[in-house]
Amino acid sequence: QQQVKQSPQSLIVQKGGISIINCAYENTAFDYFPWYQQFPGKGPALLIAIRPDVSEKKEGRFTISFNKSAKQFSLHIMDSQPGDSATYFCAARDSGSARQLTFGSGTQLTVLP
Amino acid sequence: ETGVTQSPTHLIKTRGQQVTLRCSSQSGHNTVSWYQQALGQGPQFIFQYYREEENGRGNFPPRFSGLQFPNYSSELNVNALELDDSALYLCASSRDRANEKLFFGSGTQLSVL
Repeated sequence: QQQVKQSPQSLIVQKGGISIINCAYENTAFDYFPWYQQFPGKGPALLIAIRPDVSEKKEGRFTISFNKSAKQFSLHIMDSQPGDSATYFCAARDSGSARQLTFGSGTQLTVLP
Repeated sequence: ETGVTQSPTHLIKTRGQQVTLRCSSQSGHNTVSWYQQALGQGPQFIFQYYREEENGRGNFPPRFSGLQFPNYSSELNVNALELDDSALYLCASSRDRANEKLFFGSGTQLSVL
């Protein structure tokens, strides 16, 4: 059962453009929503995260928008740079005892110079 | 401060064999999680250890087992390997069970022939 659906699967953006990646979840027991960035040959690295009582969080060029009623959240990368080219994963943390993360299927972002 | 280190980086096994993967947590972290990442997919939660006890498990069969040691390092053992076990195995550590900041290692790429 895929509890976190991520789109698009791949995204190509020109340098300086805005990259937008969307995620939707089903489980209302999720209580924390991080985004991870993964480069080839590396493990995922935490980029930015949001709690469901906040509608937006911004850190530098990265912004998360969160819509609790729609059970959707998105990552916006402003002024996209070639160095942002990576695979991005949204995730959701379960509020149960293990607090494990459920990841989306990933978006491969390519920023053209 | 050292990061999360995993060994080996690559491993080739044949169907039916057993494998042990190792992980050293980041300094000061007492919680270790293991994830399986199939090619082109997001990481999938296997299980989590907190202070040497398993405190959460994903949808993986019992032939996937683990250990956490007093120094918080960890092992993932997989018995009776199947072809579908071929994947990148990621270890992640966090300062506590809240898992708000997971630090991932670069993974062990397991190929089962």
